[in-house]
Amino acid sequence: QKEVEQDPGPLSVPEGAIVSLNCTYSNSAFQYFMWYRQYSRKGPELLMYTYSSGNKEDGRFTAQVDKSSKYISLFIRDSQPSDSATYLCAMSAKDDKIIFGKGTRLHILP
Amino acid sequence: NAGVMQNPRHLVRRRGQEARLRCSPMKGHSHVYWYRQLPEEGLKFMVYLQKENIIDESGMPKERFSAEFPKEGPSILRIQQVVRGDSAAYFCASSPSTGPGGNEQYFGPGTRLTVT
Repeated sequence: QKEVEQDPGPLSVPEGAIVSLNCTYSNSAFQYFMWYRQYSRKGPELLMYTYSSGNKEDGRFTAQVDKSSKYISLFIRDSQPSDSATYLCAMSAKDDKIIFGKGTRLHILP
Repeated sequence: NAGVMQNPRHLVRRRGQEARLRCSPMKGHSHVYWYRQLPEEGLKFMVYLQKENIIDESGMPKERFSAEFPKEGPSILRIQQVVRGDSAAYFCASSPSTGPGGNEQYFGPGTRLTVT
């Protein structure tokens, strides 16, 4: 079982829809959870950073962490064509390296 | 406030040559990380450095790869005697002073290495 599992997509949704992106993981020591957005041929951009379980909201983005299920989610409300990118989940234990998912390709259809 | 800077952005090398990739962290950041990304693959950790110290190189291939972060100047990832399998995007990230776990890493634009 891989440490971090993420559906590669592609995921295509119409503009304005709510997008749900998810990752599962196996290492119960993970405490820090991140979502990065990566446009084609660019570096990853940190979108959301959360510690332990719970929700965090930033504008149109909401990150959820369920440590009991080892499951994290990123929701994008009112999706825009500019949200089309690859979304990488990432996580780490304290004082340890970050492990990334392979990324989900998202297409927002105008 | 300049972000993480990497150069060159694109690098072409023939098999057997050396590749040197440079990374300047964000201002005020003293921790640097190197990652490799292959097509359809996620980011793979290679090495974590602080000034003049390699902290974790568990992701570095045992041969041909080395990294440094000198007291002055950028961090350097060096690949000797490149092979076609080294073709990838190499990303550098930096974080503030408290280390990888529990800290936010900010990425540079990457160097795309092509080995012909």
